[in-house]
Amino acid sequence: KNQVEQSPQSLIILEGKNCTLQCNYTVSPFSNLRWYKQDTGRGPVSLTIMTFSENTKSNGRYTATLDADTKQSSLHITASQLSDSASYICVVRASGTYKYIFGTGTRLKVLA
Amino acid sequence: EAGVAQSPRYKIIEKRQSVAFWCNPISGHATLYWYQQILGQGPKLLIQFQNNGVVDDSQLPKDRFSAERLKGVDSTLKIQPAKLEDSAVYLCASSYVAGVQETQYFGPGTRLLVL
Repeated sequence: KNQVEQSPQSLIILEGKNCTLQCNYTVSPFSNLRWYKQDTGRGPVSLTIMTFSENTKSNGRYTATLDADTKQSSLHITASQLSDSASYICVVRASGTYKYIFGTGTRLKVLA
Repeated sequence: EAGVAQSPRYKIIEKRQSVAFWCNPISGHATLYWYQQILGQGPKLLIQFQNNGVVDDSQLPKDRFSAERLKGVDSTLKIQPAKLEDSAVYLCASSYVAGVQETQYFGPGTRLLVL
C-alpha cells in the first residue's frame, strides 16, 4: 500500500535553532517527492520538488534530502525564524499516475 | 499572477443541508484538484480534472459529493446532504502541466463546519 509517514508529529524549537523533519514512504514506483509548507488557515505552498536522481535541494534556509534506496527524505531548517511556524507536509507522487500521496504533516512551532 | 481563488472562506451548516464551494484556478492551468483536509491530517484528493474532464474521482463519495468544471476553468464542489464527518477544509489546487515537475498551487481553502 502506498503510504507516506512523517515524524515527529509536532515539534517545538527556539528561534535561531536548526531542526530536521523526517519523511518515510512506501510509494512505488517512485516519481518525485515534494515538501510543502502550510501556514495556519492557508493552503500548502511548495518548498522543494525532488526526483529520483536528486539527493539534495535547497530553498533558502530549507534543505531537503532524498535517499531513494531507503525511501527516506528529510527537511532541514537552518536558523529557524518565527515565521517558520507551520505544518510541513511531505508528498510523494507515484510514477505513471497523477496520484499524490500526502503525509499527515509535522507541526512546527518556533518560540521567541 | 493571481493565485487560486476560493469562496466562501468559511461555511457553517447543519447536517443534511446542502453546500457548494467555488474555485477559480490560475489562468491557463489545465489541471484542477479538490482536496479534503480534516484537522490534523494531510489533504486527501477528492477529484482531479484535466480541462473539463475527470481524471480521478476514485475517492469522491459520489452518493453525496459532486463536482463539475464547466468550460475547463472554474469549478464547483457540492455536498448534498452534508454529514458531521464532512467538517473539514476543502482545498482547491491547480497546475499548468500534469507532468513530473508540475507544481500545484493551492487556494486558501474553505473551512466547513457541519453541526
